[in-house]
Amino acid sequence: GESVGLHLPTLSVQEGDNSIINCAYSNSASDYFIWYKQESGKGPQFIIDIRSNMDKRQGQRVTVLLNKTVKHLSLQIAATQPGDSAVYFCAGGTSYGKLTFGQGTILTVHP
Amino acid sequence: EAGVVQSPRYKIIEKKQPVAFWCNPISGHNTLYWYLQNLGQGPELLIRYENEEAVDDSQLPKDRFSAERLKGVDSTLKIQPAELGDSAVYLCASSVRGDTQYFGPGTRLTVL
Repeated sequence: GESVGLHLPTLSVQEGDNSIINCAYSNSASDYFIWYKQESGKGPQFIIDIRSNMDKRQGQRVTVLLNKTVKHLSLQIAATQPGDSAVYFCAGGTSYGKLTFGQGTILTVHP
Repeated sequence: EAGVVQSPRYKIIEKKQPVAFWCNPISGHNTLYWYLQNLGQGPELLIRYENEEAVDDSQLPKDRFSAERLKGVDSTLKIQPAELGDSAVYLCASSVRGDTQYFGPGTRLTVL
């Protein structure tokens, strides 16, 4: 079946550093991939997505890279800020709306 | 634009009691989802609606869980009777068809 997983459960960085959160997927059926940020007590917040026919997409301070050869997805956050501290989930999605989430990575940003 | 609204935000009940969660999706979003999220895990889909039709309820434990979206807008998720293992966060999300899903704040259920 389709599954999406993360390499590391926790990541600690210093404020101002760049962060890289990784995600591996096992099934190539996803039409797109999404990164969500979830703060304590809140629902997942959309960050950025990428279609399966793309390799890279950039947003404000964030970049998502997709390597279909090795079935790997990453989220890069530039100049990480304390407000970026949260749990980050990757998810694979299909065109009819089925999302499969990974376990999540806890990002902690130290001032 | 208002986001997905859920209520209540927190609910504490004793086992075997019934409980209901309510969701109001983003205006214009015809697709509505209910997810269950256990601590430290990603959300897991329970049911997906396209307008008022449940198009994917394969992961919904139908012996005790039920959901409805009578007019294709608001939705209610019910558990009867609740069990200890149902303690989790119940998330509602909405989208325009299969596009990006936007989540509500969730309802944290504690079953004692």
